[in-house]
Amino acid sequence: DGGITQSPKYLFRKEGQNVTLSCEQNLNHDAMYWYRQDPGQGLRLIYYSQIVNDFQKGDIAEGYSVSREKKESFPLTVTSAQKNPTAFYLCASTPTVATDTQYFGPGTRLTVL
Amino acid sequence: SQQGEEDPQALSIQEGENATMNCSYKTSINNLQWYRQNSGRGLVHLILIRSNEREKHSGRLRVTLDTSKKSSSLLITASRAADTASYFCATDAGPRQLTFGSGTQLTVLP
Repeated sequence: DGGITQSPKYLFRKEGQNVTLSCEQNLNHDAMYWYRQDPGQGLRLIYYSQIVNDFQKGDIAEGYSVSREKKESFPLTVTSAQKNPTAFYLCASTPTVATDTQYFGPGTRLTVL
Repeated sequence: SQQGEEDPQALSIQEGENATMNCSYKTSINNLQWYRQNSGRGLVHLILIRSNEREKHSGRLRVTLDTSKKSSSLLITASRAADTASYFCATDAGPRQLTFGSGTQLTVLP
């Protein structure tokens, strides 16, 4: 899991509520990523950020929002507009935008009650 | 859509045996990576092979890449119970993005 932390490990949310997942890295990496993983599935890219104050939508950005105000932090907000938010969320980072290998955090499991 | 697809979806072997899993992809790539994920954890990078390479080794891992067939294989030799995990291939789908397959669940029985 390296120097990337995600919190909380487990999160429960009622329908209609927004919730924010934390991702922090102390690796001095420029680029950060958010993925969603459903049971038995691979990872799907939600958002990514190449540099502070800049981010781009991935394949499944609808119902999610992010910010990148600091290099070490890339929080993900799951809004009430996300129809099926129950999933495992993974944050990753790379030293530069050109680096191929991604370093992952331990993940947050979100359950909507 | 997912670029890489692993095969088989699940594999169960005895400790000491070799495990082979395959990945197929659809479009041209610059490189292909393999990651491991223990249950409920993040992914860990195992190995990267570039499009101009055909084979690469790292410890008990051997990866091959056949760009003409758009496929790759990951061989784990002399498997151990600790190798039990899901294994994913990932390809560079576009600038600064990776596309992951759905994974192979490997179970190594003691």
